[in-house]
Amino acid sequence: EPEVTQTPSHQVTQMGQEVILRCVPISNHLYFYWYRQILGQKVEFLVSFYNNEISEKSEIFDDQFSVERPDGSNFTLKIRSTKLEDSAMYFCASSDPRDSQQETQYFGPGTRLLVL
Amino acid sequence: SQQGEEDPQALSIQEGENATMNCSYKTSINNLQWYRQNSGRGLVHLILIRSNEREKHSGRLRVTLDTSKKSSSLLITASRAADTASYFCATRVSGGSYIPTFGRGTSLIVHP
Repeated sequence: EPEVTQTPSHQVTQMGQEVILRCVPISNHLYFYWYRQILGQKVEFLVSFYNNEISEKSEIFDDQFSVERPDGSNFTLKIRSTKLEDSAMYFCASSDPRDSQQETQYFGPGTRLLVL
Repeated sequence: SQQGEEDPQALSIQEGENATMNCSYKTSINNLQWYRQNSGRGLVHLILIRSNEREKHSGRLRVTLDTSKKSSSLLITASRAADTASYFCATRVSGGSYIPTFGRGTSLIVHP
């Protein structure tokens, strides 16, 4: 069964450094999302992406964050200058273009980011 | 309550018992979904129930939705140790964003 993959599984970085989290959505999916989950807290929406542009973003997704689909398969989340509070699990998700209401999102296993 | 708030926060049962988790929400919804998350892993979609549906089944899972009470329940029957995970409800509000709002989850432990 096709699945969303994410790399790396774990990333440790120094405060102020840039990180790029990578995702490979399910191949025929066209809607892509990033979420984060701070340890012990809710899963929070960051951004959704469709047709090579951001379709929706949350207050969390400030100027430090950016997303890109550099090629036909990858979807990346960049954090320009990491802060301690960016430490979290970051999940990528995708949904099927036939699902016009984007009702079901398929999540990747996550990247655990630790900012020191 | 917050949009998509699960209850209880933690549940500990013996294998073979049933587990019931509840989710309450504040605003009218388009649909409500339940997800499972094994420790340190991603979210796995379990069931979606739409606002015009009252009950859905999938294997050992049964989900109910009461829009008058703005609540949903997830029942896992004949639980197994492998059901140990956190369970989240996620709501999508009516006429709004496609983005689901997640609750804090119920942590279920099933003892063998």
